[in-house]
Amino acid sequence: QVQLVESGGGLVKPGGSLRLSCAASGFTFSDYYMSWIRQAPGKGLEWVSCISSSGTPISYADSVKGRFTISRDNAKNSLYLQMNSLRAEDTAVYYCVIDRGAVAGDYFEHWGQGTLVTVSS
Amino acid sequence: QSALTQPPSASGSPGQSVTISCTGTSSDVGGYNYVSWYQQHPGKAPKLMIYEVSKRPSGVPDRFSGSKSGNTASLTVSGLQAEDEADYYCTSYAGRNNLLFGGGTKLTVL
Repeated sequence: QVQLVESGGGLVKPGGSLRLSCAASGFTFSDYYMSWIRQAPGKGLEWVSCISSSGTPISYADSVKGRFTISRDNAKNSLYLQMNSLRAEDTAVYYCVIDRGAVAGDYFEHWGQGTLVTVSS
Repeated sequence: QSALTQPPSASGSPGQSVTISCTGTSSDVGGYNYVSWYQQHPGKAPKLMIYEVSKRPSGVPDRFSGSKSGNTASLTVSGLQAEDEADYYCTSYAGRNNLLFGGGTKLTVL
């Protein structure tokens, strides 16, 4: 069955960096767009970034543009999110999701369990 | 662009029907048939319940249905059950590189 397992979260100081990984299995990873979606503690969901099945095109939410970089390695069935210049407002659970449908962001069929990123001094 | 507007809470008794609204604009909900709904239980990842306004993924009970009228999409849960108590989020495509989420609705089964 489809599995998405995130890792790499943790506590980091403001201005610091962190790299999230998502290991995918149970489906043909290279066939699908993938996205990162985050949820701040006690808050709603926020789309962060999306990457096509081949690696381009890529898109970002305005709130992370220029600071975060999404990438993927289809040979390793893995999705990544490099997060630089982290701010307190980036504190959230980050979910790796399969982006399905006719357009990027149409719907998110499968979600990982999430990894918590805490930005605090 | 602003988030989609959902009521913060909704409730119903077991067996009843409840409808949750999701209001946007002609640039998002009203402009595309790419509205989806997610259910989230406390401490769990969201689960897809409805996609492309009214389509139901396999495994989702037919008690869950979606619709849209103008700039407002709706999720209806019929025959409420205790396990339906959760947070529900709507999303809508809003053009290239733009995806909006609603603020979420906490559904309580009385």
